[in-house]
Amino acid sequence: DAKTTQPNSMESNEEEPVHLPCNHSTISGTDYIHWYRQLPSQGPEYVIHGLTSNVNNRMASLAIAEDRKSSTLILHRATLRDAAVYYCILDTSSSGGSNYKLTFGKGTLLTVNP
Amino acid sequence: ETGVTQTPRHLVMGMTNKKSLKCEQHLGHNAMYWYKQSAKKPLELMFVYSLEERVENNSVPSRFSPECPNSSHLFLHLHTLQPEDSALYLCASSQGLAGYYEQYFGPGTRLTVT
Repeated sequence: DAKTTQPNSMESNEEEPVHLPCNHSTISGTDYIHWYRQLPSQGPEYVIHGLTSNVNNRMASLAIAEDRKSSTLILHRATLRDAAVYYCILDTSSSGGSNYKLTFGKGTLLTVNP
Repeated sequence: ETGVTQTPRHLVMGMTNKKSLKCEQHLGHNAMYWYKQSAKKPLELMFVYSLEERVENNSVPSRFSPECPNSSHLFLHLHTLQPEDSALYLCASSQGLAGYYEQYFGPGTRLTVT
């Protein structure tokens, strides 16, 4: 199964950038890299995803290494509301196929200090 | 409002009971999922449905029985559960199954088996 490795926890200060790393050395060419986060007592929430190129949206940026074996989620200015568990996931599904796989790791618990 | 609702939010059941969890999505999506989140363990994908057909069953015990009567509704029927089945059960939906679609999660049902 496709596997990701993330630090168990990270700490940041409010208003500062946060770089959350993820290793996925077993990634294959068609696997998408997804990031989700889970706030306390809530279901996971989509953050961003990408395949090969770096991606930006209103929530975050995703920097993908050239060999695709690692990626970094960047929160440009952390707020207290960003405190959550962040999951890096490889989506190994093929379009419409029956070999759908989505493997969550343990994620990184991000603490944001005021 | 995430567009995915789950009922009930909390459920306590004995090992001999039969109960059902309900999920409804209001997003017009074609794929729906059941996940299990146990304490201090990664999210585990249980079942995947695409256009009301089951496309994935990740070796889930038969005491869990999914049902997808239409693309907006997903059920998880429970019978003769074990205490280790106590967990947060999350439903999600996506536009399609391909890796570039994001998933929208419901708030989950907190299940306690006594």
